[in-house]
Amino acid sequence: GENVEQHPSTLSVQEGDSAVIKCTYSDSASNYFPWYKQELGKRPQLIIDIRSNVGEKKDQRIAVTLNKTAKHFSLHITETQPEDSAVYFCAASKRTGNTGKLIFGQGTTLQVKP
Amino acid sequence: EAEVAQSPRYKITEKSQAVAFWCDPISGHATLYWYRQILGQGPELLVQFQDESVVDDSQLPKDRFSAERLKGVDSTLKIQPAELGDSAMYLCASRHPNTEAFFGQGTRLTVV
Repeated sequence: GENVEQHPSTLSVQEGDSAVIKCTYSDSASNYFPWYKQELGKRPQLIIDIRSNVGEKKDQRIAVTLNKTAKHFSLHITETQPEDSAVYFCAASKRTGNTGKLIFGQGTTLQVKP
Repeated sequence: EAEVAQSPRYKITEKSQAVAFWCDPISGHATLYWYRQILGQGPELLVQFQDESVVDDSQLPKDRFSAERLKGVDSTLKIQPAELGDSAMYLCASRHPNTEAFFGQGTRLTVV
């Protein structure tokens, strides 16, 4: 069945360093890949997404890269700050108009130490 | 800013009892999802609606779970009877075609 694997499960970095989280998906028909940030007790919130016709997307300190051939995508956070500490989830979806469910990875707990 | 509304935020129930959760999606969002998130794991889809129709309920434990969206707007997820293993966060999300999915705050269920 459809599956998304996410690594690492925990990541601890010093403030100012970069953080990289990697995901692999199983369904080659997936065409939409969002990343969600979930702070403790709060709802998941979209931080960046990428579609399969694009290889890379950047938004200030956050970037996502997609390798369709290898079926993996990665989240890169540069110049990390303590407020970046949260759980990050990748997801993959096979979107056609209104259809398409999100298959989530297991999550990465990022800790940014001041 | 429009948000997905869910209630209650927290629910404690005894096993074998019935429990229900409510979700009001963002206005105009035809697609509505119910996800279950067990502590320390990613959300897993339970059911997807397109307007009032179920699009995907392949992962919904139909012997005890039911979901409806009668008028294609708000939705209710019910568990009867609740089991200890149902303790989790139940998240509702909605989206418009070709947009991101917006999540509600969730209902944290504890079955004792």
